[in-house]
Amino acid sequence: EVKLVESGGGLVQPGRSLKLSCAASGFSFNDYWMGWVRQAPGKGLEWIGEINQDSSTINYTPSLKDKFTISRDNAQNTLYLQMSKLGSEDTAIYYCAREVTTVVGYNPYWYFDFWGPGTMVTVSS
Amino acid sequence: DIVMTQSPTSMSISVGDRVTMNCKASQNVGSNVDWYQQKTGQSPKLLIYKASNRYTGVPDRFTGSGSGTDFTFTISNMQAEDLAVYYCMQSNSYTFGAGTKLELK
Repeated sequence: EVKLVESGGGLVQPGRSLKLSCAASGFSFNDYWMGWVRQAPGKGLEWIGEINQDSSTINYTPSLKDKFTISRDNAQNTLYLQMSKLGSEDTAIYYCAREVTTVVGYNPYWYFDFWGPGTMVTVSS
Repeated sequence: DIVMTQSPTSMSISVGDRVTMNCKASQNVGSNVDWYQQKTGQSPKLLIYKASNRYTGVPDRFTGSGSGTDFTFTISNMQAEDLAVYYCMQSNSYTFGAGTKLELK
């Protein structure tokens, strides 16, 4: 059974840093791209970024590129999100998600096929 | 940034209804749009990828269509378990629409 479990969330003061983890099981972690998505309370979804299998390619949404760092440890089957200079606007549920590649009409296509339950981050003094 | 404008914001529906919602991209995204369902307190679940491809195990009452800038998601025979917020997402640069919330009439 595919499982993704985020951890590391909680209450953090503005300006501080926090590192989230996503423990993967039930599949060959090092065969997949992985990503992070967040959702502010009562709001929609925002893609944060993604990382490929060997960490050689990491993409971020431009507005978060200087604040957030995605990494992974394939030996530990774990994905990470290092967040710095946190502000109230970063209060959200943070989800990790697995990216799957398929072929549609002879071309590759990626989509998020499985998401963890999320971990809540609250930025407040 | 590619902006995905979803409409309507919410819909009041009855079981058995045919439900249609739309997503408009601010520029041509080809067929690179996915649709997700998010029930209250849960993480999103993939229903449709690349505009019209139903994900594994998704009931055939869920369909997607469109290309370019205009996309449509339809539930042909609304069931009570389909109450949720539905999001479109363009996968060229990964931006989501604001969601369409389905509520019981």
